[in-house]
Amino acid sequence: DVKVTQSSRYLVKRTGEKVFLECVQDMDHENMFWYRQDPGLGLRLIYFSYDVKMKEKGDIPEGYSVSREKKERFSLILESASTNQTSMYLCASSVWDREDTEAFFGQGTRLTVV
Amino acid sequence: AQKVTQAQTEISVVEKEDVTLDCVYETRDTTYYLFWYKQPPSGELVFLIRRNSFDEQNEISGRYSWNFQKSTSSFNFTITASQVVDSAVYFCALSELRVNQAGTALIFGKGTTLSVSS
Repeated sequence: DVKVTQSSRYLVKRTGEKVFLECVQDMDHENMFWYRQDPGLGLRLIYFSYDVKMKEKGDIPEGYSVSREKKERFSLILESASTNQTSMYLCASSVWDREDTEAFFGQGTRLTVV
Repeated sequence: AQKVTQAQTEISVVEKEDVTLDCVYETRDTTYYLFWYKQPPSGELVFLIRRNSFDEQNEISGRYSWNFQKSTSSFNFTITASQVVDSAVYFCALSELRVNQAGTALIFGKGTTLSVSS
């Protein structure tokens, strides 16, 4: 069974803290993504990676960075957490350019910054 | 730039009614994929369907059906005889094949919240 696992389901952090959200997939997928989901705004792409050490900015990269040192792991980093980064964060992975491509999602991390 | 629009923010129906969720997309590419995902109250995103840009054949799966029309850039989703368990947020998404960048990214619409009452 395919699996995308996010390290935490709920997190509470203080303003100014450095926050790491971890995501691991066991499907040997090339692509991995980080999205944030907010009411009325849907899912917005923060960053994606199409290979180890390769990354591309999505629509809302400000205040975030990412790291992909191994194919199966994609980390989202909030350098200095702020209250406007309180949100649901979703990680996903996918194969690319194949007929059966689809994105598989983790269970989400609900981050609260206080 | 690619874009997905789901104009319906919320829809409320009574059980057994048919309901159609609209999705309009924009892309410059000739090769792309369209998706529908369901997000029930538990929060996980559930894949429903994928359609590539060269396949305009409509699809039916049980009570679900999808109508893809390139002429109007639409990929609409119909639930026939809705049930309470269909209550969820439904997302339409677009993925482009980026050969130069060797990857693709899913761009989502804002979602439509469907409430089905008994």
